[in-house]
Amino acid sequence: GENVEQHPSTLSVQEGDSAVIKCTYSDSASNYFPWYKQELGKGPQLIIDIRSNVGEKKDQRIAVTLNKTAKHFSLHITETQPEDSAVYFCAASSPGGANNLFFGTGTRLTVIP
Amino acid sequence: DSGVTQTPKHLITATGQRVTLRCSPRSGDLSVYWYQQSLDQGLQFLIQYYNGEERAKGNILERFSAQQFPDLHSELNLSSLELGDSALYFCASSVGQAPYNSPLHFGNGTRLTVT
Repeated sequence: GENVEQHPSTLSVQEGDSAVIKCTYSDSASNYFPWYKQELGKGPQLIIDIRSNVGEKKDQRIAVTLNKTAKHFSLHITETQPEDSAVYFCAASSPGGANNLFFGTGTRLTVIP
Repeated sequence: DSGVTQTPKHLITATGQRVTLRCSPRSGDLSVYWYQQSLDQGLQFLIQYYNGEERAKGNILERFSAQQFPDLHSELNLSSLELGDSALYFCASSVGQAPYNSPLHFGNGTRLTVT
């Protein structure tokens, strides 16, 4: 089955700096890659997703890039704010087979004011 | 607020007991997924239902079972509980059958503590 690896496990940045979280996946058939933000005491919240037919997607301060050849995708947060502090999860989904998302192990992002 | 409702929020029970976790999906969503989140293992897929039928199964233990009812709410039953079953259990819902076409939206989870 699909295996998703996520790095780093923890990340601290100064407010206003950029943050980058990287994930790799193993199944070349995977075609959907969402990112979730989980705040303390809450469930994961979908913040952005990308499908395999595009290489980059942007939504205000958040962007995701996908490299299908290398089988990796990244989350970029620019102009970080304290409210961006949370745990971020990447995930991958492949057609056929298991009809679900395979998650990375999460990155705890801390934005220092 | 994702629109997915999970009850109860917290559950404390003893080893060997049986509990039921409940999930109400977002209005209009036909799929319900169950995930387990442990401290050391991230989010692990348990099972998916679509419009009342089981669609996909992950690493769900035989002691665990689930169902989706005609009104589309779902229940996850955990029996013969062990200390290692302590975790956050999340329900997610989506409109369609596959994540590619139908993003998952998560509830706020049920925290199960087995003592």
